[in-house]
Amino acid sequence: SQQGEEDPQALSIQEGENATMNCSYKTSINNLQWYRQNSGRGLVHLILIRSNEREKHSGRLRVTLDTSKKSSSLLITASRAADTASYFCATGDYKLSFGAGTTVTVRA
Amino acid sequence: GAGVSQTPSNKVTEKGKYVELRCDPISGHTALYWYRQSLGQGPEFLIYFQGTGAADDSGLPNDRFFAVRPEGSVSTLKIQRTERGDSAVYLCASSEGPGELFFGEGSRLTVL
Repeated sequence: SQQGEEDPQALSIQEGENATMNCSYKTSINNLQWYRQNSGRGLVHLILIRSNEREKHSGRLRVTLDTSKKSSSLLITASRAADTASYFCATGDYKLSFGAGTTVTVRA
Repeated sequence: GAGVSQTPSNKVTEKGKYVELRCDPISGHTALYWYRQSLGQGPEFLIYFQGTGAADDSGLPNDRFFAVRPEGSVSTLKIQRTERGDSAVYLCASSEGPGELFFGEGSRLTVL
């Protein structure tokens, strides 16, 4: 079963705009991760946020975590065409559970 | 190698045939994982190894699926009597410990 659920399923934005996607999960966690997958490729790790952290930044990425609401958000600022991909949240330590993902399309 | 390597990248087989998918993890990574991904879905956990032993095989769908990692490095996912529903991308990942997983490019299996 999949622990995380991303919202929205799909997102289309103009280059330069920000993209925000959300993840909700069911059980308590030690950490939450976000991954990116370009079409036909493997997943690439973006960022890990621990349960005692509320916000984390990495370049143009900003992740928040609200353990009371069992939710996380991923913000991509100043999007580029190369950000077009599917984005997944994942929970777990070794055995990760992934959501169905948010497909982001950045229009030039 | 520099990253996780999976072979073959594409495999087309007929219903009922036996298939082997190979994963070569990042050198030194003790944990190795197999996931399956269907179109439009997130990766679905199959099995993970710590060293040579399967630490958790709860995701294997049935006894037609089996995986080994005899020397604690390369792993092989074996599927017997393939069915059309087995068609998917099989992803392998490795890690040093809990946390970030490093994924290969996947093996796309098509069962006709």
